[in-house]
Parts: sequence; C-alpha cells; structure tokens
Amino acid sequence: EVQLVESGGGLVQPGRSLKLSCAASGFTFSDYNMAWVRQAPKKGLEWVATISYDGSSTYYRDSVKGRFTISRDNAKSTLYLQMDSLRSEDTATYYCARHLRGWFAYWGQGTLVTVSS
Amino acid sequence: DIQMTQSPASLSASLGETVTIQCQASEDIYSGLAWYQQKPGKSPQLLIYGASSLQDGVPSRFSGSGSGTQYSLKISSMQTEDEGVYFCQQGLKYPLTFGSGTKLEIK
Repeated sequence: EVQLVESGGGLVQPGRSLKLSCAASGFTFSDYNMAWVRQAPKKGLEWVATISYDGSSTYYRDSVKGRFTISRDNAKSTLYLQMDSLRSEDTATYYCARHLRGWFAYWGQGTLVTVSS
Repeated sequence: DIQMTQSPASLSASLGETVTIQCQASEDIYSGLAWYQQKPGKSPQLLIYGASSLQDGVPSRFSGSGSGTQYSLKISSMQTEDEGVYFCQQGLKYPLTFGSGTKLEIK
C-alpha cells in the first residue's frame, strides 16, 4: 500500500524558515517524480514544486522560486521542502504527492503551515 | 500559465441523478487533464487522468471526456458518498494548474 506521511508543519513567524518532510513507503520511491501541493484554508489546490525521480530536475511555481527548495533522499525514501523567507500567503496545508505523469496519483494527509507573528 | 475554469462552482443533486461538471482550459491541453475528489478534512483523490482513464479503485459511475480545451466529468448515478469538492487539473505544462473547484452536495 502506498503511504506518504508529511511532517514538520507548524506556526512560524514571517521571514523565518521551516523544513517539511514526507516519508514514503509501499513503492519504489526512486522510480517516481514527487511533488508538493498546497491548499490555503478554505481555498483551492496550488502546485508548489516537483522533483524528478533522481533529483536531477526541479520545477517551482513563480511565487516560491528562490525561497523554497525541493529535494529528496532516495536512500531514505524521503521528500523534503525547505521553505525560507516565509510569508503570510504561504499559510496552507502542504501535501506530498506522487506523480503519475503530469498528475498526482497518491497524496499524503497533509501538514499545516501557519505563517503569522 | 494555463488557466483552468470550472463550472458550476456548486451544485446539488438527488440520489441516482446524473451529474456533469465542466472544465475549460485557456489553451489546448491535448487530453492532459485529471479530475480529483476531495472530501472535508481529507486529501484529494485522483479519479480520472488523461481526460478519460479511470484510476484504479474508482467506481465506474465516474467517467471523463473531452478534448482540446473542453472537458467534463460525469457521475452517472449520484451516491451519498460522492459529496465533496471536485477539481480539474492540467498536467501538460508547468506550472501545473488546478480549477477552482465544484462543490457537490446531495439535494
């Protein structure tokens, strides 16, 4: 059974940093592109970043480029999102997701990030 | 960026009724469309990908169709468990983009 378990969310002040993790199991992690997708409270879904199966390619939405870094450790079957210079508009539930081509076949349960002073 | 426009924003349906949700892309996405269902407090679940392919484990009452810029999701016989919010998403080009969602309720 595919499982994706996020951790690392919490309350953080504007301008500070936070690092999210996603532990994967039930599939060969190194075979799949992975992504982070977020959802602000009571809002829609917003793709944040994608990393290729081997970590050689990364893609970001413009609003997080230069502030967020997606990475992975295939030996540990873990996906990461380093978030720096956080803003109030980054407040959201962050989901880890496994790619199926350009779509998202499996999702974690999400971790809430709240950016507030 | 490719904009995804969903309609309607909300609808209510009776048990057994056929429901259709529309999604329009701002440019041709060559069937690169997926549909997701999200229930309150839960993560989204993939229903349809490639415009018309049913994801494993999804009931056959769900179907997708369309091409070019126009796509639709059909639920052939509304069930209680189908309540939730439905999102479309284009998977053709980065940035990957979602529709704003359609809230489906039982009448």
